Amino acid sequence: EAGVTQSPTHLIKTRGQQATLRCSPISGHTSVYWYQQALGLGLQFLLWYDEGEERNRGNFPPRFSGRQFPNYSSELNVNALELEDSALYLCASSAGSWEKLFFGSGTQLSVL
Amino acid sequence: AQSVAQPEDQVNVAEGNPLTVKCTYSVSGNPYLFWYVQYPNRGLQFLLKYITGDNLVKGSYGFEAEFNKSQTSFHLKKPSALVSDSALYFCAVRVPNSGNTPLVFGKGTRLSVIA
Repeated sequence: EAGVTQSPTHLIKTRGQQATLRCSPISGHTSVYWYQQALGLGLQFLLWYDEGEERNRGNFPPRFSGRQFPNYSSELNVNALELEDSALYLCASSAGSWEKLFFGSGTQLSVL
Repeated sequence: AQSVAQPEDQVNVAEGNPLTVKCTYSVSGNPYLFWYVQYPNRGLQFLLKYITGDNLVKGSYGFEAEFNKSQTSFHLKKPSALVSDSALYFCAVRVPNSGNTPLVFGKGTRLSVIA
């Protein structure tokens, strides 16, 4: 069974550009979660989608946005990139419960 | 608000020795507690969880954790460390039935097992 897949693996952008990160959950999982892992800050909650709806978002500016598609895959968009957006962005999925999340390997975003 | 603290950024232990990675939490209500592990260039992997019941929880790869309500702690332990246990460990907490509240992670503890 395929795990959570994220693309691209690495993404290099310049300040002010836009980045799009993609996530495919495990088959049958309807919930998708996005976390930012910046150096020294641990995992910061970004977004939670369930059944196509945004359930919650973390303390990030509005230029961080996303959506969940009918097939439950998800996209994270970051507009007007800033240097401090450089981080590993992790996507996780679950079958509608927080009791066990399955994580992808992440997208390493570098903003120059 | 719920939060979790991992007081040690780095833990070093010799192979074969017991290891402990510390975690304390702060929540209103009874918590669900989790440990995840991150190997280099990988996402996080679930190790174990405490939901209810026995305070000693056993998980993957020989790890276990003890829930201590009076000390609000959930320390991760292993009787005999392996070099392959070297990784970044995250403790996480959530209060059940808390609506849209997400899983909150600590900042992580880097475990280094030395041969």
